[in-house]
Amino acid sequence: EVQLVESGGGLVQPGRSLRLSCAASGFTFDDYGMHWVRRAPGKGLEWVSGISWNSGSKVYSDSVKGRFTISRDNAKNSLYLQMNSLRAEDMALYYCARSSDYYDTSGHFDFWGQGTLVTVSS
Amino acid sequence: QSVLTQPPSASGTPGQRVTISCSGSSSNIGGNYVYWYQQLPGTAPKILLYMNHQRPSGVPDRFSGSKSGTSASLAISGLRSEDEADYYCAAWDDSLSVWMFGGGTKLTVL
Repeated sequence: EVQLVESGGGLVQPGRSLRLSCAASGFTFDDYGMHWVRRAPGKGLEWVSGISWNSGSKVYSDSVKGRFTISRDNAKNSLYLQMNSLRAEDMALYYCARSSDYYDTSGHFDFWGQGTLVTVSS
Repeated sequence: QSVLTQPPSASGTPGQRVTISCSGSSSNIGGNYVYWYQQLPGTAPKILLYMNHQRPSGVPDRFSGSKSGTSASLAISGLRSEDEADYYCAAWDDSLSVWMFGGGTKLTVL
């Protein structure tokens, strides 16, 4: 059974940093691209970032480019999102999602975790 | 503001057929596959349709999708109370090199 379990969310002050993790199990992790998608309170889904199976390709939304960094450790079956210079508008439930294929620019998000909540407030 | 445009809300009575539209441009829907996601209240999103109209295993055939030019639509027939959820279209945008989600449509079953 495919499982994606996010962690690392919490309360952080504006301008500070946070690192999210996603532990994957039940599939061959390095056969798939991975993504982060968020949903802010009262808003819809927003794609944040994606990474290919071998970290050779990484893509970001304009709203986080230059502040967030996606990475993965295939030996640990884990996906990460380093979030720097956090803003109030980054407050959201962050989901880890698996791509249906190797890459971050194709396929669809076929499995999702339950999310980890990031609250940005002073 | 989302590049993919959906109506914010839709509604229907049990048994009815409802459709949800998703409008984009040549750089996203016009040149790439459209995907539909369903998010039930308090749960994680779930893939509903992929590659414009393909249903993953376990998705009832009451759900169908189509695409024409730069627009796509999701149709739900035989509406049921458990279909009450938020629905999102999504597509890769070649010009912006990002994944786009529509703003989402909240479906209410009356």
